[in-house]
Amino acid sequence: DVKVTQSSRYLVKRTGEKVFLECVQDMDHENMFWYRQDPGLGLRLIYFSYDVKMKEKGDIPEGYSVSREKKERFSLILESASTNQTSMYLCASSLHHRVISAGELFFGEGSRLTVL
Amino acid sequence: GESVGLHLPTLSVQEGDNSIINCAYSNSASDYFIWYKQESGKGPQFIIDIRSNMDKRQGQRVTVLLNKTVKHLSLQIAATQPGDSAVYFCAEGGSGANNLFFGTGTRLTVIP
Repeated sequence: DVKVTQSSRYLVKRTGEKVFLECVQDMDHENMFWYRQDPGLGLRLIYFSYDVKMKEKGDIPEGYSVSREKKERFSLILESASTNQTSMYLCASSLHHRVISAGELFFGEGSRLTVL
Repeated sequence: GESVGLHLPTLSVQEGDNSIINCAYSNSASDYFIWYKQESGKGPQFIIDIRSNMDKRQGQRVTVLLNKTVKHLSLQIAATQPGDSAVYFCAEGGSGANNLFFGTGTRLTVIP
């Protein structure tokens, strides 16, 4: 089974702090994604990466950056956390470059971030 | 713009009954649809998918129906069990795209 592991399940940070959310997948997937999930808004794509050192903006990239130095690891970075970034963050991976042809996204269990 | 939405935000069913969860989409170019299940405290899990060249697809206890005429997608769960209690999301995508667009979800509660 594919395993997508998010290192932190719960974090509490203060406004202005730098936040790192780490995600690791163990199935040699090409694509990795970061979403945020908010009540009433569903899942919204922040960034994705289809290869090492490659990244693409999603629908809501403002205030975030990402890093993919190794194929299995995709990090989400909040350079200066703000209260409106309080959310559930979900990492996902998929096997192929084109997620539509791959058929599935495999999700981690989420990181709930609270910014005070 | 695209919108993927659900007709009912919550659904309660008796254990053993069949459940139907609905989803509307607005992008007629979408040709791929997925249903996900998200249990409390967990990430979404793939349930079933369907492409636009089909109108029905069956899995184990689940069936997805696609009506392209009215841009409607539904998930049917047969003999609903307590373990089916979760939030269910539909998602849509277009050929060659790298992303899916998710609906807001329907919370299914199974009453024992």
